[in-house]
Amino acid sequence: DAGVIQSPRHEVTEMGQEVTLRCKPISGHNSLFWYRQTMMRGLELLIYFNNNVPIDDSGMPEDRFSAKMPNASFSTLKIQPSEPRDSAVYFCASSLASGVFYGYTFGSGTRLTVV
Amino acid sequence: AQRVTQPEKLLSVFKGAPVELKCNYSYSGSPELFWYVQYSRQRLQLLLRHISRESIKGFTADLNKGETSFHLKKPFAQEEDSAMYYCALRRSARQLTFGSGTQLTVLP
Repeated sequence: DAGVIQSPRHEVTEMGQEVTLRCKPISGHNSLFWYRQTMMRGLELLIYFNNNVPIDDSGMPEDRFSAKMPNASFSTLKIQPSEPRDSAVYFCASSLASGVFYGYTFGSGTRLTVV
Repeated sequence: AQRVTQPEKLLSVFKGAPVELKCNYSYSGSPELFWYVQYSRQRLQLLLRHISRESIKGFTADLNKGETSFHLKKPFAQEEDSAMYYCALRRSARQLTFGSGTQLTVLP
């Protein structure tokens, strides 16, 4: 299993541009989480999906952020328009929604820099 | 409220010295706790789960319900242990609450 796959690994964009981050969860995992990591705030949960349905998006900072999960094998996190304060590492994680809970499996992250 | 507190943002120890990374939690039910490790610029990886009662890379953690703690310990730190460590609490069927993390630096 290739694990949780995120793309791109690095993204540099100009303020005001749209940014789309992608995530492919582990096959068979039906819970998916998006996190943001910064030095100042640590690890913040942005949104999570269960069986492709958004369950809790209370961590999404503002309307500029949106996330979708059109099917069990793909999710996107979009920022439009991007701002310098959005610069962070964005992690996607997935887990099984039933059976023994082994915690989350994280992707390698997308390092976003907005200039 | 379910909460995980890691009181130390930064921790430095010398190679070969014992290390303890503190984690306290608040949870009304029966807690299930985890430690994750993140090496420099890499993904978070599960280090250990308290219900497994395992030792990984020489690290152990014991759940102390009286003190509501789940401290991570290693008797002899190695330079390759330098990383960010996150304590996490299972807060619902399938959701984790993470602490703010402790950056461990093992000095030569």
